[in-house]
Amino acid sequence: NAGVTQTPKFQVLKTGQSMTLQCAQDMNHNSMYWYRQDPGMGLRLIYYSASEGTTDKGEVPNGYNVSRLNKREFSLRLESAAPSQTSVYFCASSGRGTGQETQYFGPGTRLLVL
Amino acid sequence: QQQVKQSPQSLIVQKGGISIINCAYENTAFDYFPWYQQFPGKGPALLIAIRPDVSEKKEGRFTISFNKSAKQFSLHIMDSQPGDSATYFCAASTNNFNKFYFGSGTKLNVKP
Repeated sequence: NAGVTQTPKFQVLKTGQSMTLQCAQDMNHNSMYWYRQDPGMGLRLIYYSASEGTTDKGEVPNGYNVSRLNKREFSLRLESAAPSQTSVYFCASSGRGTGQETQYFGPGTRLLVL
Repeated sequence: QQQVKQSPQSLIVQKGGISIINCAYENTAFDYFPWYQQFPGKGPALLIAIRPDVSEKKEGRFTISFNKSAKQFSLHIMDSQPGDSATYFCAASTNNFNKFYFGSGTKLNVKP
């Protein structure tokens, strides 16, 4: 049981390049989330998916797109990277029932945009 | 505009002391208030959480105090240990748990 996994762990991009951050969970959770973490800003929600086939915007969606490929996988795409997108990106998931409220986070992807 | 305001930004406590971190919110629709602990290079992990129908929740050395009328809640770490040194985030969500709003974080350093 790996929990939430993210790839890659670290990436350097040049301005204007595109990339996709991958996230997968093996806990059979319905909900999945993408956050970015910046110093002094805490975690800010980029997009979330309440169930397979649905996605919705969070606080800071501009410059990002997401795909809920299936129940396990939720990817985040940067179409044209900008230096302002330099950040640590975390994927999280949560399930229904008594565990609905607990978000389980992945180890993060550190992205540097030059 | 940050939905959840957290203070202090950093905190130094001696081993055995009490660490106190405070958070405040404005949105009265928030129904769930978790605290997360994050060690360097790792993702956050749920520490303890509370709902507004109780004023206090305790789990081991960690206690959440909740003041609904003041729209404030705080984390108390009793008998703080060097292993508690981490960054702590408060958060808030409505009862559909679709969106979580996090505070800016408190970096706690417990000195031996």
